[in-house]
Amino acid sequence: RKEVEQDPGPFNVPEGATVAFNCTYSNSASQSFFWYRQDCRKEPKLLMSVYSSGNEDGRFTAQLNRASQYISLLIRDSKLSDSATYLCVVNMYQAGTALIFGKGTTLSVSS
Amino acid sequence: DAGVIQSPRHEVTEMGQEVTLRCKPISGHNSLFWYRQTMMRGLELLIYFNNNVPIDDSGMPEDRFSAKMPNASFSTLKIQPSEPRDSAVYFCASSRPASGVATNEKLFFGSGTQLSVL
Repeated sequence: RKEVEQDPGPFNVPEGATVAFNCTYSNSASQSFFWYRQDCRKEPKLLMSVYSSGNEDGRFTAQLNRASQYISLLIRDSKLSDSATYLCVVNMYQAGTALIFGKGTTLSVSS
Repeated sequence: DAGVIQSPRHEVTEMGQEVTLRCKPISGHNSLFWYRQTMMRGLELLIYFNNNVPIDDSGMPEDRFSAKMPNASFSTLKIQPSEPRDSAVYFCASSRPASGVATNEKLFFGSGTQLSVL
């Protein structure tokens, strides 16, 4: 079983749509969770951290379910500029472990 | 502020040649990571350093790969000899660990090196 799994998509949605991405992780000891965004041929950049209580940043909402080892990202009122690949990222609190990335979910928003 | 700087941006080489990728982390960051990205495997962690010391190199594919961090402002990833299957984008990233917990928070990535081995 892969450590971090995501539906690769692509998700093709019209502007204004609401879209949700899911991610599962295999290690129950994982402590920190993030969503990164990667534009085509660019480096990944942090979109938002994911907290146990859920958190929101404008049109973006992230949620964590530790019991199910599941993370989600909800994007409301999609914009053309949201088109990118969204990477689910997990860190486990253990010496010698760094951030593990999922393969990413590709989103394409069209007008 | 300068971000993470990688060189070269593109490298085309022939099978069997030695390849050296370079990275300058953000000043003040004491963790440095090398990742490799391909369509098939996504972003894979190769190795990471904390305070210039290699902490986890379990992701290094094989003995042909080696990484060094001689000081806090410079790291290299070397492939010798290179093979076509090494073709990928290699990213370097740095971070400043959160205090109190040994987790690595926000990663700052360089622009990557696109490596093509013919």
